[in-house]
Amino acid sequence: SAVISQKPSRDICQRGTSLTIQCQVDSQVTMMFWYRQQPGQSLTLIATANQGSEATYESGFVIDKFPISRPNLTFSTLTVSNMSPEDSSIYLCSVVLDVRGGPYNEQFFGPGTRLTVL
Amino acid sequence: QKEVEQNSGPLSVPEGAIASLNCTYSDRGSQSFFWYRQYSGKSPELIMFIYSNGDKEDGRFTAQLNKASQYVSLLIRDSQPSDSATYLCAVNKGDSSYKLIFGSGTRLLVRP
Repeated sequence: SAVISQKPSRDICQRGTSLTIQCQVDSQVTMMFWYRQQPGQSLTLIATANQGSEATYESGFVIDKFPISRPNLTFSTLTVSNMSPEDSSIYLCSVVLDVRGGPYNEQFFGPGTRLTVL
Repeated sequence: QKEVEQNSGPLSVPEGAIASLNCTYSDRGSQSFFWYRQYSGKSPELIMFIYSNGDKEDGRFTAQLNKASQYVSLLIRDSQPSDSATYLCAVNKGDSSYKLIFGSGTRLLVRP
């Protein structure tokens, strides 16, 4: 397994501001993702963080709102831009440790960042 | 129809009983199936994964997959109060090995 950390663990922000969340893994990983978990809801995939290139966003999520960086194989950031109360969620990064091809893709989650927007 | 469906519960079982959690999915192209446990205020923890039809056992946990019926389940034997959590079923998108779609989760309560 790997140790996945996120910073900050929680934050309270004012509407209209932006917050950058960091995800750090203690080993190199090929696949890294960002998810959102809104209050009382399940997880929704925001995007795939691609090393050295633009992230791949899921339907309903756009780069201007959720810019993502992935400068290397151990680190990624997600920015939540121009925040509104609807952005209050837990944001989680996840990684696939062992890319073996086929369906074998166990995915592990970081501890999450709890964001509250006032 | 939701892509991954779970009964939200709560499912209440006495300590020592078998807890049975169920999940159905809509994408016939899905090949990877996962069960995550999420304690309140914590992130999801991977507890089981299954890729082939049939049963897979790991300790007190058994995952069952029936691709023809698009059905995956998780059995927890000898349930303990510490098993009380929300259990999330996740299935890969048929067009991607890595993108997961999550069900809404089943809340399990194990009564001492």
